[in-house]
Amino acid sequence: GENVEQHPSTLSVQEGDSAVIKCTYSDSASNYFPWYKQELGKRPQLIIDIRSNVGEKKDQRIAVTLNKTAKHFSLHITETQPEDSAVYFCAASIGNFNKFYFGSGTKLNVKP
Amino acid sequence: GAGVSQSPSNKVTEKGKDVELRCDPISGHTALYWYRQSLGQGLEFLIYFQGNSAPDKSGLPSDRFSAERTGGSVSTLTIQRTQQEDSAVYLCASSLSHSTDTQYFGPGTRLTVL
Repeated sequence: GENVEQHPSTLSVQEGDSAVIKCTYSDSASNYFPWYKQELGKRPQLIIDIRSNVGEKKDQRIAVTLNKTAKHFSLHITETQPEDSAVYFCAASIGNFNKFYFGSGTKLNVKP
Repeated sequence: GAGVSQSPSNKVTEKGKDVELRCDPISGHTALYWYRQSLGQGLEFLIYFQGNSAPDKSGLPSDRFSAERTGGSVSTLTIQRTQQEDSAVYLCASSLSHSTDTQYFGPGTRLTVL
């Protein structure tokens, strides 16, 4: 089955700096890659997603890139703010199977 | 409109007892997902429903776990003969119909097995 690995497990940046979180996946059939943000004690919320027919997607300060050949995708957050502090999860979904595989999460700490 | 709701929000039970967790998806969402999140860990996919059907049950950790969905709406996750390692937050999510539709998560049920 699919295996999603996420790095780093923790990331500390200064406010205003950029943060990058990377994920790799194993199954080339995966074609949908969402990113979720989970604040302490709260439910995960989708922040951005990308499909396999697209190489990059941006939404204000957040961007996701996908390299299908290398089977990895990354989340980029620019001009980080303290409210960006949370745990971020990547995920991969295969075709029409409605089955999601999540990375182990990255705890992002943005220091003011 | 109303989001995904789950009940109870917290459940404390004794080892060996059965528990039932409930999920109410967003109205009109045909896809429903169950996940388990252990303390400080990622999300472990358990099962999904398309309508009332669960095509793939291989994510359920053991035969003590079962899930059903009736009327294409409410779903229950049942854990029989609970063990301490079952302690976790159980999250439910729903999406409109397809795996590439946005998943909306419920608040979760925190299960503690003593």
